[in-house]
Amino acid sequence: EPEVTQTPSHQVTQMGQEVILRCVPISNHLYFYWYRQILGQKVEFLVSFYNNEISEKSEIFDDQFSVERPDGSNFTLKIRSTKLEDSAMYFCASSLTRDSPLHFGNGTRLTVT
Amino acid sequence: AQSVTQLDSHVSVSEGTPVLLRCNYSSSYSPSLFWYVQHPNKGLQLLLKYTSAATLVKGINGFEAEFKKSETSFHLTKPSAHMSDAAEYFCVVSGSGNMLTFGGGTRLMVKP
Repeated sequence: EPEVTQTPSHQVTQMGQEVILRCVPISNHLYFYWYRQILGQKVEFLVSFYNNEISEKSEIFDDQFSVERPDGSNFTLKIRSTKLEDSAMYFCASSLTRDSPLHFGNGTRLTVT
Repeated sequence: AQSVTQLDSHVSVSEGTPVLLRCNYSSSYSPSLFWYVQHPNKGLQLLLKYTSAATLVKGINGFEAEFKKSETSFHLTKPSAHMSDAAEYFCVVSGSGNMLTFGGGTRLMVKP
């Protein structure tokens, strides 16, 4: 069965550094998402992306965050200047249509020191 | 606005006994509801989905959930727990643009 793949599985970075989290969605899916889960907290929506632009974003997704689909397969989340509170598990997801279920990747654990 | 409350953060059952994971939701319109499961070091896997076709929804691995509008509940059940069911389970409601709102999760432990 097709899967959403995320790399790396674990990333450690220093505060203030830029980080890029990478995702390869399922190939025929058209909608892409990022969610995150801070340790001990709920999974939270960050952003959805369709047709090469952001469809929706949450209050968490401020100017420090950006998303991009640089080619036909990758979907990236960039954090420009990481803060300690950005430490979390980041999940990428994709769906075929706007209403079909999301398929999630295994996540990237980001640790900001 | 929508929200999801999972009533138990931890549930422990013995292998072979029934499983009940409770979920209540709040939504301003007719919601789509999901249960996802997360095994250690794995991603979120869809167990089942409710989208108003039938109130009793069957999912993978013998799980099912019943949508009760009058109680705003979507509890997850399984008749007989297996060791491999030990994982974290998330009740989720979908809003506009497929924005998901997650419950806090229930960690299911299965004792031999």
